Amino acid sequence: QKEVEQDPGPLSVPEGAIVSLNCTYSNSAFQYFMWYRQYSRKGPELLMYTYSSGNKEDGRFTAQVDKSSKYISLFIRDSQPSDSATYLCAMSNNNNDMRFGAGTRLTVKP
Amino acid sequence: NAGVMQNPRHLVRRRGQEARLRCSPMKGHSHVYWYRQLPEEGLKFMVYLQKENIIDESGMPKERFSAEFPKEGPSILRIQQVVRGDSAAYFCASSLQQYTGELFFGEGSRLTVL
Repeated sequence: QKEVEQDPGPLSVPEGAIVSLNCTYSNSAFQYFMWYRQYSRKGPELLMYTYSSGNKEDGRFTAQVDKSSKYISLFIRDSQPSDSATYLCAMSNNNNDMRFGAGTRLTVKP
Repeated sequence: NAGVMQNPRHLVRRRGQEARLRCSPMKGHSHVYWYRQLPEEGLKFMVYLQKENIIDESGMPKERFSAEFPKEGPSILRIQQVVRGDSAAYFCASSLQQYTGELFFGEGSRLTVL
């Protein structure tokens, strides 16, 4: 079993849809949870950062962490074609022990 | 551009040659990380460095790969005697503090080994 599991997709949705992206993990020591967005041929950029369990909202993006289930989610409301990218979940218990998911490729169709 | 700068963006090498990838962190950042990304795979941690020190190289292959972050100048990831399996995108990231979870990534260096 991989330490971080993420459905690679691809996921295709119409513009305006609500998108749900998810990751599961096995290491209960993880405390920091991140979502990165990576456009094609570009480097990942940090979207959301949360510590421990709970929700965090930033504009159209909401990150949820459920440590009891070892499950994290990213929701995108009113999705736009510009949201089309690969979304990587990441988690860590310290700086040099960060683990990334394989990434979910999202396409938002106009 | 105050972001993480990587060069070259694209590098082609023949088997057996050496590849050198450079990374200049964001201004003020003293923590540098190298990751490798294969198609359809996530980012795999390779090495974490601070100025003049390798802090964690647990993700680095034992042979042919080395990294440095000198007092002056960029961080260098060096791959000796490249093989086709080394073809990948290599990303550098930097952070301000030892752990914030906020890594800032460069655009990556894409190595192709013929």
